[in-house]
Amino acid sequence: GAGVSQSPSNKVTEKGKDVELRCDPISGHTALYWYRQSLGQGLEFLIYFQGNSAPDKSGLPSDRFSAERTGGSVSTLTIQRTQQEDSAVYLCASSPTGNYGYTFGSGTRLTVV
Amino acid sequence: KQEVTQIPAALSVPEGENLVLNCSFTDSAIYNLQWFRQDPGKGLTSLLLIQSSQREQTSGRLNASLDKSSGRSTLYIAASQPGDSATYLCAVNAGGFKTIFGAGTRLFVKA
Repeated sequence: GAGVSQSPSNKVTEKGKDVELRCDPISGHTALYWYRQSLGQGLEFLIYFQGNSAPDKSGLPSDRFSAERTGGSVSTLTIQRTQQEDSAVYLCASSPTGNYGYTFGSGTRLTVV
Repeated sequence: KQEVTQIPAALSVPEGENLVLNCSFTDSAIYNLQWFRQDPGKGLTSLLLIQSSQREQTSGRLNASLDKSSGRSTLYIAASQPGDSATYLCAVNAGGFKTIFGAGTRLFVKA
């Protein structure tokens, strides 16, 4: 596509439920990143995919968080048993390589009530 | 460990003023530096990307400079407009996924 597409744009969920967030990167971009931005805070790195290599999951805050990238394209971030502290904007970005600038999606605003 | 600092944290200026946003980083071994704009509740929009071999990049009323040796970058906005009101973030890439973001400067341009 022309840009990085994220869905849903907004998600309200009850505490304890699982949620899936989707990212569709720019076609041909080999690198894909997930970040989290809590209210008034900076960007927190979550996970990085580069081509067919094993993802770097060093930023995932707990084992309730997982992500996959199918066919080197679309990525899904899954949060199990959501907690209120998971409320944030989840941002996805892609890049043609790891070193040539990021293009971000519009984000998914997650609210856990 | 790379650290990225943006000063000031917030800035309010009258319309028409020229202004400079500052970004400093502690490790000069970078591949590129990117400036972004973020509107409230929105994602990040890329403004300018400066490769490590470059000194500056320009786009319209925006000019970004890079001085690796001193660990500094500036974003210059000419003739500011109310529509420029947003948070501006700089991001330093040291290779691969190792991009460190500053906390941003919140800019408010008064009409």
